[in-house]
Amino acid sequence: SYVLTQPPSVSVAPGEAARITCEGNNIGLKSVHWYQQKPGQAPVVVIYYDSDRPSGIPERFSGSNSGNTATLTISRVEAGDEADYFCQVWDSGSDHHVFGGGTQVFVL
Amino acid sequence: EVQLVESGGGLVKPGGSLRLSCEASGFTFTSYTLNWVRQAPGKGLEWVASVSSSKSHIYYARSVKGRFAISRDNAKNSLSLQMNNLRVEDSAIYYCARAGDSSGYWFDPWGQGTLVTVSS
Repeated sequence: SYVLTQPPSVSVAPGEAARITCEGNNIGLKSVHWYQQKPGQAPVVVIYYDSDRPSGIPERFSGSNSGNTATLTISRVEAGDEADYFCQVWDSGSDHHVFGGGTQVFVL
Repeated sequence: EVQLVESGGGLVKPGGSLRLSCEASGFTFTSYTLNWVRQAPGKGLEWVASVSSSKSHIYYARSVKGRFAISRDNAKNSLSLQMNNLRVEDSAIYYCARAGDSSGYWFDPWGQGTLVTVSS
């Protein structure tokens, strides 16, 4: 089955950029979607189809995907960006949705 | 405003059954794939099941196949998950999530979830 690997945590100072990776075999051939989840809340999509941003999501959130790594970048990080972030793909080989294990972003 | 409201969670003994429901509003229900995604306490997200708009495509995670059944009532704008032979490891918050678009490849929006606890 297809596996997505994320770092457990990322720490970043306010105003700096946070980069969250999502590794998978030839993930660049798949569409990657990213979700933000704050404590006690449901997940919210922040990036879909690798780099599209839903309305209402700040431009500070961006995504890229190539080779074996997809990346969610949060520019000019704010305290309110502290949350868990999950990547997700549809694996057509197994007809399964697959989530990464999640990355907890800490704002120092 | 798109809304998804889950219900039906609770405490059940191992081997027992539970039926979850998700009431949808604010969008054309028959145009979207619907999904269940769960999250065990303190853990990550796990996709459970999906049903296409026409019910012609239904998919299950390996961990629940043969025990869970997803269904939808397009006349009532509702989604259900029948969970049988429940195990302790099925304990989680269960979220109802709509597909973000007609592809069904991503999830948006999500409901607030309903908690299922399987314990003796």
